[in-house]
Order: sequence, then structure tokens, then C-alpha cells
Amino acid sequence: DAGVIQSPRHEVTEMGQEVTLRCKPISGHDYLFWYRQTMMRGLELLIYFNNNVPIDDSGMPEDRFSAKMPNASFSTLKIQPSEPRDSAVYFCASSRTWTDTQYFGPGTRLTVL
Amino acid sequence: GQNIDQPTEMTATEGAIVQINCTYQTSGFNGLFWYQQHAGEAPTFLSYNVLDGLEEKGRFSSFLSRSKGYSYLLLKELQMKDSASYLCAVREGTGANNLFFGTGTRLTVIP
Repeated sequence: DAGVIQSPRHEVTEMGQEVTLRCKPISGHDYLFWYRQTMMRGLELLIYFNNNVPIDDSGMPEDRFSAKMPNASFSTLKIQPSEPRDSAVYFCASSRTWTDTQYFGPGTRLTVL
Repeated sequence: GQNIDQPTEMTATEGAIVQINCTYQTSGFNGLFWYQQHAGEAPTFLSYNVLDGLEEKGRFSSFLSRSKGYSYLLLKELQMKDSASYLCAVREGTGANNLFFGTGTRLTVIP
């Protein structure tokens, strides 16, 4: 079975530009999570969806961040406008239920210059 | 809230045994996970403990003591490919958003 798929794998952009990260969860998984990982703060949960509905976005750092899940097989995380401090690796993960193991995608390494 | 503490770095010799500790403070403990993360790659699930005791899975074992807020990951017969970061994650209470990760322990296996 294919795992969680993320694109792009690497993104380099300039400050002020819009960035869109994409995720395809594992088929049949009802939960989708967006994480951000930095050396200083480790893995932080930004937002999660249950059956395509955003449940908790309290981890989203600012209004510049938004996430959508238009259907069960696709989610986006958008940063607009991007800032250098947004540079990090962004992971998408999915699980069948909230108690099940979360499976992570390969991540998107974002660099904002 | 929760405070998850792990050593930042460890070094061990190929073929040896290494123990990576994790301590936590949480109100409403509801499970502890260990993930392995190779440099530049995604975290991958290793183990899950919700009850006290030792869970063994091949060369890897994980131990939990809820009363002490303590867990360890034990790696036996170390191989070079075990060089990676090991993340301790604690689930607090109920709800899918209550999984908190430590900053990880970077393990280097030397010949």
C-alpha cells in the first residue's frame, strides 16, 4: 500500500510569497495531521482533520497559515505570506482512528529566504 | 500540560546495547509512543505503551512506568543503520490533538 504522500519534497521561496503544501493520506484513514518540525521546537501539531473536517487548529501559529481538506484523499497547508521563520520541515500524517498509530509522509522541507 | 525530556545525543558501539530514556509530566496520561527518524526522513513508528511494563519487538524493547513518568527504549545488537533520532511522544487525555513529541535523542552508532 502506498504511504502518506506529500509534495513538494523541497520548496525554496522568498519572503512574502504564498506557499502551498500538499498531502494525500493513506486510503481509509479518517484522521489527517499537519506537523511542523524544527531543531529548536521538535515536532509540533498544527492542525488535524477528522473525516475531512478541521477539528482543532489551535496549533496554527498565525492567520497566515490555513489548511483545507476538500476530500478524503487530499489536504493542503497554505502559508500566505511566508516569512523566514516559517522555514521548517512540514509533515503530514494519517491514522485510521485517533488512537491508532500515525503514519508520517516524507515531509516538505520549506526554506523561506 | 506536559514536559517531555530526553537526552539530546548518545553514542554507542555497533553490537552493543543502548537505553534511551524519556521522562514526562502530564495530566491525564493516555499512552506513550517511540518513533525512529533517520536524517531527512519521516518519523516511523516503533512502539506503543499504555500499561506499565516491557514491550519487546525484536531488537527493540520499550518500557513504561506510569507512576514515575518514565519510559525507555532499549536497542540491542546495535547496527550502523540504527543511527537516527528517537522521538518519545506522549498522549495526554482524549482527543487526537493531544499527542506531544519530545525533541528527540540523536543516536550515533560507531564501529
